[in-house]
Amino acid sequence: QKEVEQNSGPLSVPEGAIASLNCTYSDRVSQSFFWYRQYSGKSPELIMSIYSNGDKEDGRFTAQLNKASQYVSLLIRDSQPSDSATYLCAVIGGSQGNLIFGKGTKLSVKP
Amino acid sequence: GAVVSQHPSWVICKSGTSVKIECRSLDFQATTMFWYRQFPKQSLMLMATSNEGSKATYEQGVEKDKFLINHASLTLSTLTVTSAHPEDSSFYICSAPRGAAQETQYFGPGTRLLVL
Repeated sequence: QKEVEQNSGPLSVPEGAIASLNCTYSDRVSQSFFWYRQYSGKSPELIMSIYSNGDKEDGRFTAQLNKASQYVSLLIRDSQPSDSATYLCAVIGGSQGNLIFGKGTKLSVKP
Repeated sequence: GAVVSQHPSWVICKSGTSVKIECRSLDFQATTMFWYRQFPKQSLMLMATSNEGSKATYEQGVEKDKFLINHASLTLSTLTVTSAHPEDSSFYICSAPRGAAQETQYFGPGTRLLVL
């Protein structure tokens, strides 16, 4: 059974700080990794995708991938209260090409 | 803007009735769509894969006779919850892959179902 593990949190950071979200996955052959943001009562919204080892930056977001350690992370710089949400790590790993999700980390950014 | 739409966004129904949920890809064709279900404080779990022109593929433990899926066209998939019961109350979300490698999945806004 392919698995994606995340710390459920909640993770609380002050406004303006860096939020660090971590994820590990079990399937060593996974190639595609995604971070989704889900506000309460809403569906997931794609934040970042990453396919190669190293860092990928998009605005205040940086995704980091280490395939040797089977580890993916998301850094959010200059955190804002509007970043408060649950962040889902996902891997393409299902037999149908579907996403396998972690349980999500709840982030709270305090003003 | 949104690339995948879902309708309705909210459904409240009596036990025993059937509920139909539509998922549409906007401005692109989707030969495959995915249906997920999310219970409170849990992550998304894949229910089934909807395939245009062929039968849906159901995940283990999902009753295909209860959750009917029809991929009517390259932009529309429907999920019908037949004879709904209170335990079927959940957040149902569809997604469609898009892009050259079909690797990026975009989610619809979801349908919240409450069965009384």
